[in-house]
Amino acid sequence: SYVLTQAPSVSAAPGKTATITCGGDNIGSKTVHWYQQRSGQAPVLVIYYDNVRPSGIPDRFSGSTSGNAATLTISRVEVGDEADYYCQVWDTRSDHVVFGGGTKLTVL
Amino acid sequence: QLQLQESGPGLVKPSETLSLTCTVSGGSISSSSYFWGWIRQPPGKGLEWIGNVYYLGNTYYNSSLKSRVTISVDTSKNQFSLKLTSVTTSDTAMYYCARRLHDTRGPLDYWGLGTLVTVSS
Repeated sequence: SYVLTQAPSVSAAPGKTATITCGGDNIGSKTVHWYQQRSGQAPVLVIYYDNVRPSGIPDRFSGSTSGNAATLTISRVEVGDEADYYCQVWDTRSDHVVFGGGTKLTVL
Repeated sequence: QLQLQESGPGLVKPSETLSLTCTVSGGSISSSSYFWGWIRQPPGKGLEWIGNVYYLGNTYYNSSLKSRVTISVDTSKNQFSLKLTSVTTSDTAMYYCARRLHDTRGPLDYWGLGTLVTVSS
């Protein structure tokens, strides 16, 4: 089945830029969604269809895909952005929703 | 504002059946625009998709759980349900219900708060 690979952790200082990547075979040909999960809370959709922000999500959050990687970029990082971030695609071969393993963003 | 609320026993014995219900409010489960699904998260681990159901009853399941899972919909109650048979301690997890756009590529745009199910004797 299709596998999405994420680094376990990434850190960024307040006001800096955090980059979270999601690797997958030719993921650039798929549609990628990103979820934020703060500690003890349910996941929240922050980017869908590769680069669209839902209503209420700050424009500091952006997404892109190319080749074998998808990227979630968080500009001007805030303490409140500290969370786990998951990428997700639909695998057409298996008809499965697939999640990456998640990346914990620590704001230093 | 759409809301999803999971309900069901928080403790299930090994080998028994886990049963959860998701009640949808603020919108109709009979909309042709959405799937309704279940996702779980073992303590300290990542998200695992369990499956989706459409209001007409069509289902998609994670192949790793397919032999044990049934997801059904009750449009009269605006609810959908999860049954997982022959549970083991590995099925201990937070279980979330969520809405997914009726597009094979669609995101999970609304989630419930989740309910913790522990499998233990």
